[in-house]
Amino acid sequence: AQKITQTQPGMFVQEKEAVTLDCTYDTSDPSYGLFWYKQPSSGEMIFLIYQGSYDQQNATEGRYSLNFQKARKSANLVISASQLGDSAMYFCAMYTGGFKTIFGAGTRLFVKA
Amino acid sequence: DGGITQSPKYLFRKEGQNVTLSCEQNLNHDAMYWYRQDPGQGLRLIYYSQIVNDFQKGDIAEGYSVSREKKESFPLTVTSAQKNPTAFYLCAAGALSSYNEQFFGPGTRLTVL
Repeated sequence: AQKITQTQPGMFVQEKEAVTLDCTYDTSDPSYGLFWYKQPSSGEMIFLIYQGSYDQQNATEGRYSLNFQKARKSANLVISASQLGDSAMYFCAMYTGGFKTIFGAGTRLFVKA
Repeated sequence: DGGITQSPKYLFRKEGQNVTLSCEQNLNHDAMYWYRQDPGQGLRLIYYSQIVNDFQKGDIAEGYSVSREKKESFPLTVTSAQKNPTAFYLCAAGALSSYNEQFFGPGTRLTVL
């Protein structure tokens, strides 16, 4: 069965420090995509970063990087130099075709000043 | 502005009444999606549409209906058959690409009294 697991319901990080949000996935499809979205308190989902299963290098977008370990089926999000505006819910998601994307339960990140 | 609009932001209805949530996009994307989000949980797919006049059930379609008469519009009706309709509803749109990146609207918070 296809599944996304985020084991950290809440995380705290000091401003300007780096933080890693965990995500593991399960699929038997060889072709899939992994996403991270940010959901601030306003509710909208903001796309952060994407990693394809055949991509050789880890994806990076500004302060966001995705630590993709295919053998471990993990796709952790690393946020460098945390800012107060990074406080939000973060969702890991997986797409394996058929126009269905499945989402994890999310991790709430709190950035402390 | 380009993007996805959902209105209203907050919606209140009495139990037993049908209610229609609007979703409009000007991104010219073929695919559109409706998700439901309950407190502390990830997103669950209600319906999706790949082209005009065609749509498919997602994981939790019971008690909901949709239409796709125009490419730009994908309204969701929450019917009285939906047992627990109070939730946050998110609409998304995406290109029919190999990795299915989706862009989300701001969401509608529905409360049934």
